Amino acid sequence: GAGVSQSPSNKVTEKGKDVELRCDPISGHTALYWYRQSLGQGLEFLIYFQGNSAPDKSGLPSDRFSAERTGGSVSTLTIQRTQQEDSAVYLCASSPYASSYNEQFFGPGTRLTVL
Amino acid sequence: KQEVTQIPAALSVPEGENLVLNCSFTDSAIYNLQWFRQDPGKGLTSLLLIQSSQREQTSGRLNASLDKSSGRSTLYIAASQPGDSATYLCAVRREAYNNNDMRFGAGTRLTVKP
Repeated sequence: GAGVSQSPSNKVTEKGKDVELRCDPISGHTALYWYRQSLGQGLEFLIYFQGNSAPDKSGLPSDRFSAERTGGSVSTLTIQRTQQEDSAVYLCASSPYASSYNEQFFGPGTRLTVL
Repeated sequence: KQEVTQIPAALSVPEGENLVLNCSFTDSAIYNLQWFRQDPGKGLTSLLLIQSSQREQTSGRLNASLDKSSGRSTLYIAASQPGDSATYLCAVRREAYNNNDMRFGAGTRLTVKP
């Protein structure tokens, strides 16, 4: 079956511009996560959606970052006024709510480069 | 705050060698530990998951061990192949139902030379 998909796969933007990154989770998965992977660093949790509950935004690094999930499916991560330190791979993952250990299935990521 | 460290950051071995990747964590109160593989341009693929009550898990040529008290896990790869070349990440989860509580290491980049 189809896995988690993300678009675009690569995004190059100029400092100060806004960008939108998209994630399509596995059909039926109610939980969706965004992570950031900077060069040489581990994955950094950004935000978590579970069903219709309010998202857990505790990992967002600044108010320039926001995310929404429409209809409990597709999610968009928006970075406003991008900075060079925002350059990283942004990974999305989804998991079924009732999984015994909540295994997360990851998408291929979007590589963001801010010039 | 849980910190996860992976050593070495990079490893290069000839084909056929057995090898060990290391993962250490600072807080031993974990729910489970998971090893992932990441290929360039692709997402993470789960390899093995060890619950806190377990000491090891095996899948094919892979064996992962967990020593909670010392805060360490190892991933053993037997008879390495060029197709094993990838970055290997470990992640620990503190609680069963806190879905945002996974902490990842920076990974070990493995190259297996033919």
